[in-house]
Amino acid sequence: GNSVTQMEGPVTLSEEAFLTINCTYTATGYPSLFWYVQYPGEGLQLLLKATKADDKGSNKGFEATYRKETTSFHLEKGSVQVSDSAVYFCALSVDQAGTALIFGKGTTLSVSS
Amino acid sequence: ETGVTQSPTHLIKTRGQQVTLRCSSQSGHNTVSWYQQALGQGPQFIFQYYREEENGRGNFPPRFSGLQFPNYSSELNVNALELDDSALYLCASSLQGGHGYTFGSGTRLTVV
Repeated sequence: GNSVTQMEGPVTLSEEAFLTINCTYTATGYPSLFWYVQYPGEGLQLLLKATKADDKGSNKGFEATYRKETTSFHLEKGSVQVSDSAVYFCALSVDQAGTALIFGKGTTLSVSS
Repeated sequence: ETGVTQSPTHLIKTRGQQVTLRCSSQSGHNTVSWYQQALGQGPQFIFQYYREEENGRGNFPPRFSGLQFPNYSSELNVNALELDDSALYLCASSLQGGHGYTFGSGTRLTVV
């Protein structure tokens, strides 16, 4: 079936460090891929997305490239800030009608100053 | 432009009881999806409503049901509550056919 696997957390970094959160997927067809972020006590916010192979999504300094050959969508940021501390979810949608998102378990990022 | 509003924010119910959670969709959105997020897990798709009808369902039993109203707001009803139903319930609205989901802050349900 369709699924998303994320690296286990928590990830603990110092401010201005480089961030990578790994995400791989299993899906039929050609899924759309997403990264969502959840700050404490809040709902999910779309961070970035990519809808076809080799697309790069980017937002707020975060980037992820849709790699069909490795079925991956790793999240990267060159220099993290304390305000980036949150839980990050990788997700996919195989339904072109946009019916359902399939999420990974989430990766907690903690950035210290 | 208002976002997605969910109510209540927290509630506690006893095993076997019934609960109704409410969601007001973002202005201009006609589709509502519900997700269950257990502690430390990613959200799991429950179902989606479009034009007041169920438009897709995840692996949840029939005691999870929903409604969508003409103004696109929605309710999630859970009957015969079980301890494992304790979770954060998230509502997301979107336009049918699009991937621009807007999530609410959720309702934290505790079943004791």
